[in-house]
Amino acid sequence: GQQLNQSPQSMFIQEGEDVSMNCTSSSIFNTWLWYKQDPGEGPVLLIALYKAGELTSNGRLTAQFGITRKDSFLNISASIPSDVGIYFCAGEYSGGGADGLTFGKGTHLIIQP
Amino acid sequence: DAGVIQSPRHEVTEMGQEVTLRCKPISGHNSLFWYRQTMMRGLELLIYFNNNVPIDDSGMPEDRFSAKMPNASFSTLKIQPSEPRDSAVYFCASSLWQGGYTFGSGTRLTVV
Repeated sequence: GQQLNQSPQSMFIQEGEDVSMNCTSSSIFNTWLWYKQDPGEGPVLLIALYKAGELTSNGRLTAQFGITRKDSFLNISASIPSDVGIYFCAGEYSGGGADGLTFGKGTHLIIQP
Repeated sequence: DAGVIQSPRHEVTEMGQEVTLRCKPISGHNSLFWYRQTMMRGLELLIYFNNNVPIDDSGMPEDRFSAKMPNASFSTLKIQPSEPRDSAVYFCASSLWQGGYTFGSGTRLTVV
């Protein structure tokens, strides 16, 4: 099946630092998504990307859909304590409606005081 | 909007018992997905439905797992008989369009 390689696996940063994580795939996707999961909860959608080359921002978050359709990155600027959590990339290849997402293994973001 | 509602939140059962997980999708969403999350394998798609019809169940681990969606507002995932390796967090998600997935809070299943 499709595989998503997400890196880094974990990040230990200081509050206020910028964060960057990325995902690569062996196959193309026509939708890339970034989710955040807090302990004991389900993943929550942060940003959705639908077009190769698309660059989208949501507050301090910026994500891009790679030109090859096989990669995406997520940047978080000026990190704050509530950014702590697990971030997942996800891709979908669909001819029309929702067909199910393939997820990366996640990036654990830990902010040191 | 109450979001995707899953029950129970936690389930502890003995090996060999039947387990039923329940999901109520967001009203109006026409796709429903069941995922399983473990430390080793991450988030895996088990099965999904479009308009209450199962489309792809290739992710279901084995015949002990079954899922139904009798109507647009309810789905179940059943494990019979359950085994310790089934211990995981099971998520239900619903969607109206590509990429617009909303996840429930999950059911943490422990099989002892």
